[in-house]
Amino acid sequence: EAGVVQSPRYKIIEKKQPVAFWCNPISGHNTLYWYLQNLGQGPELLIRYENEEAVDDSQLPKDRFSAERLKGVDSTLKIQPAELGDSAVYLCASSGLNTEAFFGQGTRLTVV
Amino acid sequence: QQQVKQSPQSLIVQKGGISIINCAYENTAFDYFPWYQQFPGKGPALLIAIRPDVSEKKEGRFTISFNKSAKQFSLHIMDSQPGDSATYFCAASRQGAQKLVFGQGTRLTINP
Repeated sequence: EAGVVQSPRYKIIEKKQPVAFWCNPISGHNTLYWYLQNLGQGPELLIRYENEEAVDDSQLPKDRFSAERLKGVDSTLKIQPAELGDSAVYLCASSGLNTEAFFGQGTRLTVV
Repeated sequence: QQQVKQSPQSLIVQKGGISIINCAYENTAFDYFPWYQQFPGKGPALLIAIRPDVSEKKEGRFTISFNKSAKQFSLHIMDSQPGDSATYFCAASRQGAQKLVFGQGTRLTINP
């Protein structure tokens, strides 16, 4: 069974440029999460989807971050414009009914 | 505030020794306490989890000890092996995997 797939694995952009990350969750998992992991820190939840509905986006900086999960499967997280402080690993995870959260390998973003 | 405090930040153990990592939480509504293992360049992977109705859970060389009155829980790795060298995160949530609050992580190194 394929795990959570994220792309790209690495991204280097200049500040003020836009960037997008893509996530394909495990088949059948209705819940999808985006986490932010700063260097040397634990992951922090940015947004949680139940199917296509964002049910918890309280930690998402909405002035520059946006996310969507069309058709309740794949999801995209966008930053526009990126700032130097956005350099981090962006993790996607998914879970099914009463299952653990499975994480993807993450996208490492470097803003220069 | 929903915080999970983890210690130590780093730990060096000799092969065959016992590794112990501690976490403390504040929110008494938390009812799910997992430990995640993360290797460099990978996403976190669930290692073992416990609910507050039991004081201990053991899976192979890994044991969680849970103290509800003290609001603390710990991970014990028996007979530590070089392959256990990784970063370990404790976490807590109120609804299973749905809103995990992570500790800051412990970088564990097992010397051969």
